[in-house]
Amino acid sequence: AQTVTQSQPEMSVQEAETVTLSCTYDTSESNYYLFWYKQPPSRQMILVIRQEAYKQQNATENRFSVNFQKAAKSFSLKISDSQLGDTAMYFCAFMIIQGAQKLVFGQGTRLTINP
Amino acid sequence: ETGVTQSPTHLIKTRGQQVTLRCSSQSGHNTVSWYQQALGQGPQFIFQYYREEENGRGNFPPRFSGLQFPNYSSELNVNALELDDSALYLCASSPDYSGGWQFFGPGTRLTVL
Repeated sequence: AQTVTQSQPEMSVQEAETVTLSCTYDTSESNYYLFWYKQPPSRQMILVIRQEAYKQQNATENRFSVNFQKAAKSFSLKISDSQLGDTAMYFCAFMIIQGAQKLVFGQGTRLTINP
Repeated sequence: ETGVTQSPTHLIKTRGQQVTLRCSSQSGHNTVSWYQQALGQGPQFIFQYYREEENGRGNFPPRFSGLQFPNYSSELNVNALELDDSALYLCASSPDYSGGWQFFGPGTRLTVL
């Protein structure tokens, strides 16, 4: 069974600071995707970034980047120059490439950006 | 291009009743997945439909059932509601060869009393 663990239930930083959210996962599969989703108070889940496990290069999307350590099964999200609009729940998620495209989510990290 | 929509936004039911939730997938998306998100938890996969066929199911009892229609919209039906069914129900759609991308709707908040 695949599991995703986010060890930081809550984090809080000042606007413009850099923050890193942690995620570890457990799987015996070798081909999979990893994701970070953001869920603001509006409830809609928004895709932040995606990483393909077979790619060694870490994914980046503007101010968002990941540190993917496949051997350690670690997938952290770094948010640079944090903005008030980044305040949200952040979920790490995992998907095996074969079969149904089923996302397995962690418990989430509540991130608050303070002015 | 219209995104994923869900209806209703929220509803209240009593224990033992039945409920139907609806999802319209994004244009061009033939796969719909349903997730249950209990308060303070991450979403849990219920099932997925691909071209009107169930394509995978999570650890949910048979009283959770679904349908996908020829236009790829979908319904989630829950019979014999229990208090623990109170949750946010999320629908996500994706096209063929999406590389895992799933696009979520705003969810339906179900409260069972």
